[in-house]
Amino acid sequence: NAGVTQTPKFQVLKTGQSMTLQCAQDMNHNSMYWYRQDPGMGLRLIYYSASEGTTDKGEVPNGYNVSRLNKREFSLRLESAAPSQTSVYFCASSSLAPATDTQYFGPGTRLTVL
Amino acid sequence: TQLLEQSPQFLSIQEGENLTVYCNSSSVFSSLQWYRQEPGEGPVLLVTVVTGGEVKKLKRLTFQFGDARKDSSLHITAAQPGDTGLYLCAGAETSGTYKYIFGTGTRLKVLA
Repeated sequence: NAGVTQTPKFQVLKTGQSMTLQCAQDMNHNSMYWYRQDPGMGLRLIYYSASEGTTDKGEVPNGYNVSRLNKREFSLRLESAAPSQTSVYFCASSSLAPATDTQYFGPGTRLTVL
Repeated sequence: TQLLEQSPQFLSIQEGENLTVYCNSSSVFSSLQWYRQEPGEGPVLLVTVVTGGEVKKLKRLTFQFGDARKDSSLHITAAQPGDTGLYLCAGAETSGTYKYIFGTGTRLKVLA
């Protein structure tokens, strides 16, 4: 099992460009999440999908859109990238809500917006 | 937005020493988790605590949830270089929520 995979691993964008971060899990998990991690700020939840067909906003959703393509895949789209979106992005998945189940994280995507 | 403050931010110690990392908030949490993250990787869950006053042990790591469920601590006994990493606490304000609030992290370096 690969667990949670993310592509790409690194990306450099210019302000205003768009891109989609891909995430897939092979653990048959119901729930998937997108976080961003910035120095000195821990991880902040952008969007989550509690189950296939549903998505909800997290703490910092502005400037992002998500798609739960199927049970395995959850993508994050930046429509018009801004320097403030320079960060490390992590996808995670869990079978149940995190309090009662383990959240497994992918290796991250390092995004720089110039 | 509720905050989880961790202290210290940075810690550099010699192999064999003991250490404690703290996670504090003014909010009450229904559950709290501790993660360890190594460079270039995602966080890995170490433990979840749900009951005020709860103590959990994982080999040389001892986790405690405060009686009022507003704070938590992680104590490492006889630290080893393999303990080096970023330690994150994360709390959920309500049970069943999917929204966890992460602390700012404690970066630990254990020198051989």
